[in-house]
Amino acid sequence: DQQVKQNSPSLSVQEGRISILNCDYTNSMFDYFLWYKKYPAEGPTFLISISSIKDKNEDGRFTVFLNKSAKHLSLHIVPSQPGDSAVYFCAARGSSGSRLTFGEGTQLTVNP
Amino acid sequence: EAQVTQNPRYLITVTGKKLTVTCSQNMNHEYMSWYRQDPGLGLRQIYYSMNVEVTDKGDVPEGYKVSRKEKRNFPLILESPSPNQTSLYFCATSRGNTEAFFGQGTRLTVV
Repeated sequence: DQQVKQNSPSLSVQEGRISILNCDYTNSMFDYFLWYKKYPAEGPTFLISISSIKDKNEDGRFTVFLNKSAKHLSLHIVPSQPGDSAVYFCAARGSSGSRLTFGEGTQLTVNP
Repeated sequence: EAQVTQNPRYLITVTGKKLTVTCSQNMNHEYMSWYRQDPGLGLRQIYYSMNVEVTDKGDVPEGYKVSRKEKRNFPLILESPSPNQTSLYFCATSRGNTEAFFGQGTRLTVV
């Protein structure tokens, strides 16, 4: 039972354009959502998060949008840069604790 | 510098030979966990620990053991490794409801 799904295994965009990574969840008890970025041979690193009381959170080039009714969130990267090429994981957490549930990941490639 | 340190980074072993992957953190975090990353499956939680002497199963605990005798250390033990445990393993720590910090990963191959 995959409670957090990233349906696109890969995404390729041109440098300077927008990258949009999507994530869907099924568990209505999730109330906090995070995005992690992972480079090869490194551990995932935290990128940005959003609480369920918000519908948008922005940090520089990165914006996360949350649509609670659709149980959908997305990560927008504008403008995309070659250094953004990595695997992006969506994760969700319920209010009861620290346990994170991850999606399958999306490989983003930003072409120069 | 805040760190989560895993050892070893790479390990090739044979079926049935007991092994331990260590994880140590210097951030005084209560919560620690182990994940495995497999192609197409993302990160799946193996075990987690809310604090010293408190551990619980994650989504894929079969074939693994953990212990939490001290706050900073959370070793992952494979008593009798099998080839289906070939994977990339990550240790992570967090304090309360903050984001998790991950180690560099341990690539394990069981032949």
